[in-house]
This record gives sequence, structure tokens and C-alpha cells, in this order.
Amino acid sequence: AQKITQTQPGMFVQEKEAVTLDCTYDTSDQSYGLFWYKQPSSGEMIFLIYQGSYDEQNATEGRYSLNFQKARKSANLVISASQLGDSAMYFCAMRGSISNFGNEKLTFGTGTRLTIIP
Amino acid sequence: NAGVMQNPRHLVRRRGQEARLRCSPMKGHSHVYWYRQLPEEGLKFMVYLQKENIIDESGMPKERFSAEFPKEGPSILRIQQVVRGDSAAYFCASSPPNPISNTEAFFGQGTRLTVV
Repeated sequence: AQKITQTQPGMFVQEKEAVTLDCTYDTSDQSYGLFWYKQPSSGEMIFLIYQGSYDEQNATEGRYSLNFQKARKSANLVISASQLGDSAMYFCAMRGSISNFGNEKLTFGTGTRLTIIP
Repeated sequence: NAGVMQNPRHLVRRRGQEARLRCSPMKGHSHVYWYRQLPEEGLKFMVYLQKENIIDESGMPKERFSAEFPKEGPSILRIQQVVRGDSAAYFCASSPPNPISNTEAFFGQGTRLTVV
């Protein structure tokens, strides 16, 4: 079984500051993938960044980077130079080894509500 | 290239009625996933389907819920005799027939079901 833990229900951050959203995971799979999604108030799920368990370098996508510490089983999202539009719910998710049937189901954490203060 | 399309976006049903939620995957995608998001919670996996086959329904409630993905047409999530606890956002995601490890899941915009 897989489990994702996000321990920060809510965070308030001043605009232009960097913010780190915590995510720890548990899995028995050797190969897995970690994702971060943003859910604004409008409700859609926006993909931000992906990290594979065998990727040697931390993933980066623009202002988003993933601080992947495999031994600690953590995959924290770092947002640099936060903007007002970053205010949203953020979900960490995991996908285990892709089965023979191509099952890519995701296990989600409970999310962190990020509010950027002007 | 249209993304994952879900309709309706909002659905209101009275207790005891049936709810039918539709999902058209991205072009070329043959794998469909349904997730449920209860208020103030993360998404929970419900079911994984390929064309005409249910592959994994480990997250589906045992009663009242069913899903299908016919050879032609959208995938349907059906909830019979809805109750207030079924009020949630239901998301559909799709992926291509030969997934590689780093493919993102492409989500639809969700259907918000309200049971009154």
C-alpha cells in the first residue's frame, strides 16, 4: 500500500518569498513516481512537476522545484518568488510501479492550502 | 487537441435519484481513471478502466456505484439512489495505451455533484 502525508494544512507566505510545501511518502515499490498538483479555487487539477524514483537530479519546472530525498522518503515542493496567483491547494501524489495492465492510479495526500499575502 | 472533457460541470440531484457523470478522454488515450474528492480532502482513486474492461475497481463503493467505458463513447460513472454523502467533486483522468513512467495524469475539470 502507498501513503502520502502532507502535514501542513495551511500556510501563509509573503509575496515574493520562497515557500516549501512538505510531502513524505511510504511505499514498498522500488520504482515509483511523485507528482505535485495545484488546485485553484476554480477546482481544476493543474500538473506542476514530476520526480521519478530513479532520477538522479531533482526535478525543476520554472519556479517549481522538487527537493527529493529518497532516504528520507520526502518530496517537498519549493516555489521560488511566490506570486499572488500561487494561492491554491497543493497536492502531493504518488504512482507506484506501472503494472502489466498499465495501471497508473495515483495516491494523493490531503493537501496544503497556500495563501500568498501581498 | 482537446483535453479530458467531463460533463456536466455541475450536477444537482435529489436524494434517491441517479447521477450519471461522463468523461471523454484525450484523443488517443484508452485508459480512464475516476477519482472522488470529498470537501476539504484529497482525491481518492475509485476505478481504472480500459475500453470495455474494468481493470481495477478497488476504490469503488460496493453498492450503488458503477462505471463503464464502452467501445464507443465516453466513460460513464453512475451513482444510483444518491445520498447526501455522495456530494463531492468527481474527477476523470486519462492516459495513453502504452504509458511510460513519467507521464503525467491528464485530469478533466471535474463534475461537482450536489445531493439535496
